[in-house]
Amino acid sequence: QLQLQESGPGLVKPSETLSLTCTVSGGSIRDSDYYWGWIRQPPGKGLEWIANIYYSGSTYYRPSLKSRVTISIDTSKNQFSLNVNSVTAADTAVYYCARRTMTAVASRPYDYWGQGTLVTVSS
Amino acid sequence: DIQMTQSPSSLSASVGDRVTITCRASQPISSHLNWYQQKSGKAPELLIFDASTLQSGVPSRFSGSGSGTDFTLTISSLQPEDLADYHCQQSFSTPVSFGGGTKVEI
Repeated sequence: QLQLQESGPGLVKPSETLSLTCTVSGGSIRDSDYYWGWIRQPPGKGLEWIANIYYSGSTYYRPSLKSRVTISIDTSKNQFSLNVNSVTAADTAVYYCARRTMTAVASRPYDYWGQGTLVTVSS
Repeated sequence: DIQMTQSPSSLSASVGDRVTITCRASQPISSHLNWYQQKSGKAPELLIFDASTLQSGVPSRFSGSGSGTDFTLTISSLQPEDLADYHCQQSFSTPVSFGGGTKVEI
């Protein structure tokens, strides 16, 4: 059974960098049928896609966040990571990592999710 | 960007009721529409993909329909364990986008 687990600090100071890692177990991050992504949910609000990455290193970003966000992948550790720099209170959210199916399904859903990690931006 | 609008934002129903949630896209998205269920404090779980295909393990009381701009999620007979938020998501174009969610209360 595929599992994803987010890890990283739960508290980040304004203007600093938020760094999270997603560890994938029960499957290979090098599987060519999938992308790997980050999605966040501010408290009491809806879901917002942030970025995706393919095992080859190809990346896709939300345009409004692209200048502050970096997604990367480490296939040797079966992990992928997210950095968001110059954070503000508006970046406070539960951050989820997820797998996106890219083949055989036209709507390419996110079919496996991590449990999520709350990141609070506060001094 | 494609905007996804869900209605209602919340609803209250009784066990056994038929419940319908709608999702409207700001432009046509064919059938590139997914539905997720999110229970309190948990991650979203995929319910339906390709607008109408049930994810493996999802009870048959859930169904999806629609194409183009208008989509519907139906729970044919509401159960206590269906208490959750429901989110639609389009994958027709990047950036993918989610609806604002519908809270189902029992």
